[in-house]
Amino acid sequence: EPEVTQTPSHQVTQMGQEVILRCVPISNHLYFYWYRQILGQKVEFLVSFYNNEISEKSEIFDDQFSVERPDGSNFTLKIRSTKLEDSAMYFCASMTGSPMTDTQYFGPGTRLTVL
Amino acid sequence: KNEVEQSPQNLTAQEGEFITINCSYSVGISALHWLQQHPGGGIVSLFMLSSGKKKHGRLIATINIQEKHSSLHITASHPRDSAVYICAVEGSNYQLIWGAGTKLIIKP
Repeated sequence: EPEVTQTPSHQVTQMGQEVILRCVPISNHLYFYWYRQILGQKVEFLVSFYNNEISEKSEIFDDQFSVERPDGSNFTLKIRSTKLEDSAMYFCASMTGSPMTDTQYFGPGTRLTVL
Repeated sequence: KNEVEQSPQNLTAQEGEFITINCSYSVGISALHWLQQHPGGGIVSLFMLSSGKKKHGRLIATINIQEKHSSLHITASHPRDSAVYICAVEGSNYQLIWGAGTKLIIKP
């Protein structure tokens, strides 16, 4: 069964460093999402991406964040200068082109630890 | 004010009991989702609802659009059902706005 994959599973970085979190969505999916979950808190929406552009972003998704779909298969989330409060589990999700009938499929997550 | 409220926050029950988890939301929505988060963190979609009721195995989800309320029921609960169950509503670009989750523990 097709699945969303994410790499790395765990990333440790120093404050101020840039990180890139990678996701490979399911191949025929058209809608892509990043969510994050700070330890002990609820999952929060970061950004949605459709037709090679951002369709929606939350207040969390400030200028330090960017997303790309560089090669038609990968979907990346970049944090330019990480802060301690960026430590969280980051989930990628994808969905087909039928949003009224389909659910989102989630990757296993990348745990980001900022020291 | 939270847009998605779930109750209870924690629920412990004995194997075999009938489980109900409730979700209320304050915004107009096109769909509501129930998801399951395993102890390791993985997230699985259980249901997407825009009206009425859906059933999958021992899981039943209902929604009342007028009352802005949804319930997730588990019949004949089993220890393997232990997980966090999360209600989420769809935003304008199908992004999910999440509730805080209900941590369910089923004891043998």
